Amino acid sequence: AQSVTQLDSHVSVSEGTPVLLRCNYSSSYSPSLFWYVQHPNKGLQLLLKYTSAATLVKGINGFEAEFKKSETSFHLTKPSAHMSDAAEYFCVVRPRSGGSYIPTFGRGTSLIVHP
Amino acid sequence: DVKVTQSSRYLVKRTGEKVFLECVQDMDHENMFWYRQDPGLGLRLIYFSYDVKMKEKGDIPEGYSVSREKKERFSLILESASTNQTSMYLCASSHVKGFGETQYFGPGTRLLVL
Repeated sequence: AQSVTQLDSHVSVSEGTPVLLRCNYSSSYSPSLFWYVQHPNKGLQLLLKYTSAATLVKGINGFEAEFKKSETSFHLTKPSAHMSDAAEYFCVVRPRSGGSYIPTFGRGTSLIVHP
Repeated sequence: DVKVTQSSRYLVKRTGEKVFLECVQDMDHENMFWYRQDPGLGLRLIYFSYDVKMKEKGDIPEGYSVSREKKERFSLILESASTNQTSMYLCASSHVKGFGETQYFGPGTRLLVL
């Protein structure tokens, strides 16, 4: 069994300040973890993914995430928010064994960026 | 560039109508998915297909069926549309090659059932 908890439904930051979007997961098997972004009226796009290589993963648009097995977390960060980062963000977990292809999505975090 | 297209961006249907949503991908992906997205609930998997004519139920299959007659095309069917099926529907595809494969999403179909 697997699940994902995105700890905040909304995060509000000022432009130029750091961004932290929190994600905790549970998985019966070692997981692959993903962050996707959805801009208004658009489909989802991959930001970054962890698949058992380096625990600090860098993605597009200056985002990065760190896999912490002891804390079962995969938080998304960015040093300095930009207005264009305003979007919905989804954390996703998928087991790397156990035969299931099916990813599990978190409920999403809406990032609001103020000028 | 992978492209996933969906037949309509917006659709308005009446209760009881049969509704077809089509999804086409151009990258020879084995896996295809249908999700519905509702505010505060994230994406919920309706059905999944890992090969032509193969399908598996997701978390919320009731009221829906699917068809995959060709590898590039995955259709979602609402047999008798109801108002609680008003939602955003997202299609995705991915390769089977490994556990870290990326899903590629279409732009979505916003369905309103009156």
